[in-house]
Amino acid sequence: EIVLTQSPGTLSLSPGERATLSCRASQSISSSYLAWYQQKPGQAPRLLIYGASSRATGIPDRFSGSGSGTDFTLTISRLEPEDFAVYYCQQYGSSPTFGQGTKLEIK
Amino acid sequence: QVTLKESGPVLVKPTETLTLTCTVSGFSLSNARMGVSWIRQPPGKALEWLAHIFSNDEKSYSTSLKSRLTISKDTSKSQVVLTMTNMDPVDTATYYCARNQREWLLLRGSYYYYGMDVWGQGTTVTVSS
Repeated sequence: EIVLTQSPGTLSLSPGERATLSCRASQSISSSYLAWYQQKPGQAPRLLIYGASSRATGIPDRFSGSGSGTDFTLTISRLEPEDFAVYYCQQYGSSPTFGQGTKLEIK
Repeated sequence: QVTLKESGPVLVKPTETLTLTCTVSGFSLSNARMGVSWIRQPPGKALEWLAHIFSNDEKSYSTSLKSRLTISKDTSKSQVVLTMTNMDPVDTATYYCARNQREWLLLRGSYYYYGMDVWGQGTTVTVSS
């Protein structure tokens, strides 16, 4: 099973700042298999990025994904108040898995 | 409009079997690109992927829960059913179903996954005697 490790566990930033979230896989995965989600309290997750770098429908262009092999990154270029949430990476290997999440909180 | 809705018991007893149903609308489970995943989230904890099924009846299960899970679909009813046996209090969680899309890339000889793009609202299941 592929384990996804997200860092940091918690990221404290202010609106307007740039956020960089990391997702590291225990073995190399195809970029086609990596997705990112946002979850706010009491809500279902929302798909942000698929294929490591493609934005889902309706996702603002301040969200971007990159990476390959074992190291992937979600970048939010300029934080808006509504971006403070928990973010998960997920991979579609033979047995899909999620990372443990990064909480993005207001500083 | 694409929607998914989970249904099932709110409370189950330890050792019982949980049966959850995901009823979908706005797309067909027979569409070659379509699949449905089940994911759960214990209170205050991370998401955990459980299982998925695609239109060609391909199924996959969480490595750690494989022995307890069964996923199936009824295309005519637009439903995907997940059963989990031998429930325990640690299985208390919100259970979600979500649509997956994928496409076979001939030149690569592999699938391209478009993520879990539509989620149900979730159903909370408590395991307690």
